[in-house]
Amino acid sequence: KAGVTQTPRYLIKTRGQQVTLSCSPISGHRSVSWYQQTPGQGLQFLFEYFSETQRNKGNFPGRFSGRQFSNSRSEMNVSTLELGDSALYLCASRSGGAYNEQFFGPGTRLTVL
Amino acid sequence: AQKVTQAQTEISVVEKEDVTLDCVYETRDTTYYLFWYKQPPSGELVFLIRRNSFDEQNEISGRYSWNFQKSTSSFNFTITASQVVDSAVYFCALSEARSGGGADGLTFGKGTHLIIQP
Repeated sequence: KAGVTQTPRYLIKTRGQQVTLSCSPISGHRSVSWYQQTPGQGLQFLFEYFSETQRNKGNFPGRFSGRQFSNSRSEMNVSTLELGDSALYLCASRSGGAYNEQFFGPGTRLTVL
Repeated sequence: AQKVTQAQTEISVVEKEDVTLDCVYETRDTTYYLFWYKQPPSGELVFLIRRNSFDEQNEISGRYSWNFQKSTSSFNFTITASQVVDSAVYFCALSEARSGGGADGLTFGKGTHLIIQP
């Protein structure tokens, strides 16, 4: 079974631009979550989508948004990029309920200049 | 609010030594889930183990073992006879159950950077 895939793997943007990251979950997984990893704040939960609906949301500004398609693929969008948005963005998918582990993708390394 | 504390920022041991990574959590819920993940230099988080709050059985998997103690809110991870390939950052994480079968996103500790020297 193929793992979680994320594209692109690396991205360089400038302040004020917007960016869209993509995530394809493991086949059959309907839950997709996004996390931001920075040296200062560590790993932080952004949001979770399940069956095309946002089910949970972390404490991030509205500039961070996402969506999920009928095939469970998900995209994350960050508008009006700030320098502090430079981070590794990780996507994770899960099958079944809350008890099940999340499987993570390799991440997208975003650099904002 | 939930919180996970990994007090050990970095641990360095010589190969074949045993090493224990500490994890202390805080939650008000009675139903919650605990996880350990490994992040090698490649960056991808690798799932190691999960526990729910009603299952305090310790677990052993090869050289890895986990000790879950609700009385002290701890979920510690021990590697026996460590190997260089065990070098990575290890994260402990917690999620609380929500109604409807969902769960909050994972709350991660800051991670412990484990260095195994040959």
